[in-house]
Amino acid sequence: GQQVMQIPQYQHVQEGEDFTTYCNSSTTLSNIQWYKQRPGGHPVFLIQLVKSGEVKKQKRLTFQFGEAKKNSSLHITATQTTDVGTYFCASDNQAGTALIFGKGTTLSVSS
Amino acid sequence: NAGVTQTPKFRVLKTGQSMTLLCAQDMNHEYMYWYRQDPGMGLRLIHYSVGEGTTAKGEVPDGYNVSRLKKQNFLLGLESAAPSQTSVYFCASSYWGGTTYEQYFGPGTRLTVT
Repeated sequence: GQQVMQIPQYQHVQEGEDFTTYCNSSTTLSNIQWYKQRPGGHPVFLIQLVKSGEVKKQKRLTFQFGEAKKNSSLHITATQTTDVGTYFCASDNQAGTALIFGKGTTLSVSS
Repeated sequence: NAGVTQTPKFRVLKTGQSMTLLCAQDMNHEYMYWYRQDPGMGLRLIHYSVGEGTTAKGEVPDGYNVSRLKKQNFLLGLESAAPSQTSVYFCASSYWGGTTYEQYFGPGTRLTVT
């Protein structure tokens, strides 16, 4: 079945360093969504990308959708302790009726 | 608005017992979902519903049943709990229309089966 693969699984950075997580698929994706889950919390929607080559920014977060629509990335500039959590990418299942989530990248930040 | 709520928040079951998890949303969303989250496995879709009276299987449906008798409620049932069903269960809902259909998640139910 359709899968989205995320790397890395874990990342530890010093506060102020940059962070990037990648989401890859062997098939063309109709869209990609990104979610953040704080420790002990529930996933919260961040953004959706639909167009080939699309780039969106939210303050220090930059989201990209690849030209071939097979990969996506989330980049955080100058991480803060508030960025700690697990970041998930997700995309439609084949029927277009549900999301399939990647396994997530867990970010830890030390000050 | 309460958003998506889940009942109960915590539960401990013995192997073979049954239980029902309740999810309720007050956003008039058509789509509802049940996920389980295990360490290192991400969020795996158990069952979902695209409208009142409809249900469909997700990635890991075995051992679970669901019902959507009312648009605002989505129930997840475990008929005979097994230790492998120890997990955190999340319910989510979404509106289906336009170009963005973000999912709204409930706070989760932590289930332990001994």
